[in-house]
Amino acid sequence: AQKVTQAQTEISVVEKEDVTLDCVYETRDTTYYLFWYKQPPSGELVFLIRRNSFDEQNEISGRYSWNFQKSTSSFNFTITASQVVDSAVYFCALSEAALNGGSQGNLIFGKGTKLSVKP
Amino acid sequence: DAGVTQSPTHLIKTRGQHVTLRCSPISGHKSVSWYQQVLGQGPQFIFQYYEKEERGRGNFPDRFSARQFPNYSSELNVNALLLGDSALYLCASSLQGTGNTIYFGEGSWLTVV
Repeated sequence: AQKVTQAQTEISVVEKEDVTLDCVYETRDTTYYLFWYKQPPSGELVFLIRRNSFDEQNEISGRYSWNFQKSTSSFNFTITASQVVDSAVYFCALSEAALNGGSQGNLIFGKGTKLSVKP
Repeated sequence: DAGVTQSPTHLIKTRGQHVTLRCSPISGHKSVSWYQQVLGQGPQFIFQYYEKEERGRGNFPDRFSARQFPNYSSELNVNALLLGDSALYLCASSLQGTGNTIYFGEGSWLTVV
């Protein structure tokens, strides 16, 4: 069965600190997709990144970076020089691939990590 | 371009009533999915529709149903509401078949009293 674990329930940092959010996943599929979403208090899930299981390259986007390691089934997310606007709940999610090669619509989410960045 | 839009934004219902939630996907997206998010938890998958056909169903009772219309918009219906149905209901859309990103709307906050 597929499962996503985000062991950190809440993290509090002071502005400009770096912070890493952990994500560990379980799947028997060889082809799958991993996602990170940000959920501010308004409720909307904001897409941050998608990674497929064949692409283990790490990615950097501005202050955000992601470390994907299949050997440890982890897909961790780091925010460098955190800002107050980064305060939100962050979700890691897993999706199996559809037979036609696309990502299916049924995402398996972790329970989320609430990040509070204090000025 | 408009993102995924959902209505209503907030609503309050009484136990036993019925509710209909609506979703319009991003233009060009043919796949729509519904998720339920209770307070303090991650979203849970309810349904996926593609080209007006159900493509996936999560572990929810038959009180939950959905459909997709020819213009790819979708409705989620919940009958005989229970207090435990109080949650944020999220709609997501995507292109199917090309390894796609799944985009979410702002959700409908349902409170059952």
